[in-house]
Amino acid sequence: NAGVMQNPRHLVRRRGQEARLRCSPMKGHSHVYWYRQLPEEGLKFMVYLQKENIIDESGMPKERFSAEFPKEGPSILRIQQVVRGDSAAYFCASSPGDRAHEQYFGPGTRLTVT
Amino acid sequence: AQKITQTQPGMFVQEKEAVTLDCTYDTSDPSYGLFWYKQPSSGEMIFLIYQGSYDQQNATEGRYSLNFQKARKSANLVISASQLGDSAMYFCAMTLYNTDKLIFGTGTRLQVFP
Repeated sequence: NAGVMQNPRHLVRRRGQEARLRCSPMKGHSHVYWYRQLPEEGLKFMVYLQKENIIDESGMPKERFSAEFPKEGPSILRIQQVVRGDSAAYFCASSPGDRAHEQYFGPGTRLTVT
Repeated sequence: AQKITQTQPGMFVQEKEAVTLDCTYDTSDPSYGLFWYKQPSSGEMIFLIYQGSYDQQNATEGRYSLNFQKARKSANLVISASQLGDSAMYFCAMTLYNTDKLIFGTGTRLQVFP
């Protein structure tokens, strides 16, 4: 049973470009969470999605960031017009239901903005 | 507001000794969960142990145990018989049962020396 998959593992973007981060949850999991880890800090919650629904986006920056989890395919975290401050590790976690103690993390995507 | 505090930025322990990593939390909600994660230098988040607020006994998982003191709002992680491979960042986290997002502390960097 494959774990949570994230790709790419490393992403380099120039300022002003768009970054797309993908997360495929574990088989049978319908809930996805995105977290951001700035250098030398803990993880910060960004958004919680179920299939085709955003449940909680209280941690998402108001501009340039968006997330989706379509009926088919992976969850996508999109960052438009990236800035250097967006450089971070972005982790996705999935769970089979609305129980956070069953969240399983992916390996993360390390975004570097040059 | 909910908050996790880890006051030890770094800890050293000799191989085969036990070590305690401190974690205190703040919430007024009676229902919550407490977690510990390990993040080695490779960057992935590895789930170690979980404690529910209503659990009567302290959680244990192999060499890991969680010293849950509800009145003090502390959830310290005890690692027994430390191994060199235990060197990593350790994050304490919390979730409330009416939400699903994990709230992380700032982490403790543990170094195990021979």
